[in-house]
Amino acid sequence: DAGVTQSPTHLIKTRGQQVTLRCSPISGHKSVSWYQQVLGQGPQFIFQYYEKEERGRGNFPDRFSARQFPNYSSELNVNALLLGDSALYLCASSLDLGAANEKLFFGSGTQLSVL
Amino acid sequence: QKEVEQDPGPLSVPEGAIVSLNCTYSNSAFQYFMWYRQYSRKGPELLMYTYSSGNKEDGRFTAQVDKSSKYISLFIRDSQPSDSATYLCAMSAPTGNQFYFGTGTSLTVIP
Repeated sequence: DAGVTQSPTHLIKTRGQQVTLRCSPISGHKSVSWYQQVLGQGPQFIFQYYEKEERGRGNFPDRFSARQFPNYSSELNVNALLLGDSALYLCASSLDLGAANEKLFFGSGTQLSVL
Repeated sequence: QKEVEQDPGPLSVPEGAIVSLNCTYSNSAFQYFMWYRQYSRKGPELLMYTYSSGNKEDGRFTAQVDKSSKYISLFIRDSQPSDSATYLCAMSAPTGNQFYFGTGTSLTVIP
């Protein structure tokens, strides 16, 4: 079975541009979460989606948005990119509504570099 | 104060050594505790999952949780060069929908 898949694997953008990252969860998983991992730090929670609805949002500006599709795949959008947005963006899926006891399975991430 | 504190290391040990990795936390509501292994520029891989206090063993890995001290540990026995990676602790609360991660400890096992 395929794990969590993310695309693209690497991306280079310039300041002010917009970017869209994509994620397909493990088959049968209905919840998708997005995390940002800056080099040398642990992942930071951005969003959680379940059944196409936002169920949680971390402390990120409105430039960050996301959505989940009927097939449970998800997109993360970041507008007006800043240098500080350079990071590894991780998508994680879990089986059901992201209750605290749900295990998170991560994709390999999208490495975003903003120049 | 951060929700989760983890010594970033780096930690370097000889092959076969016992490794101890630790995290402390401040939120007493945390009930679920996890350890992830992350290779360079890859996504975290779930290693261990523990609910509340106690020990859990899986092969060479043992996870311990001491909720009274707000302290969790991961022990790796008979460490191998393939264990060289960054180890992240993570935890969550029953009412929450996000996981809180430590900064990760970089481990190198020298052959």
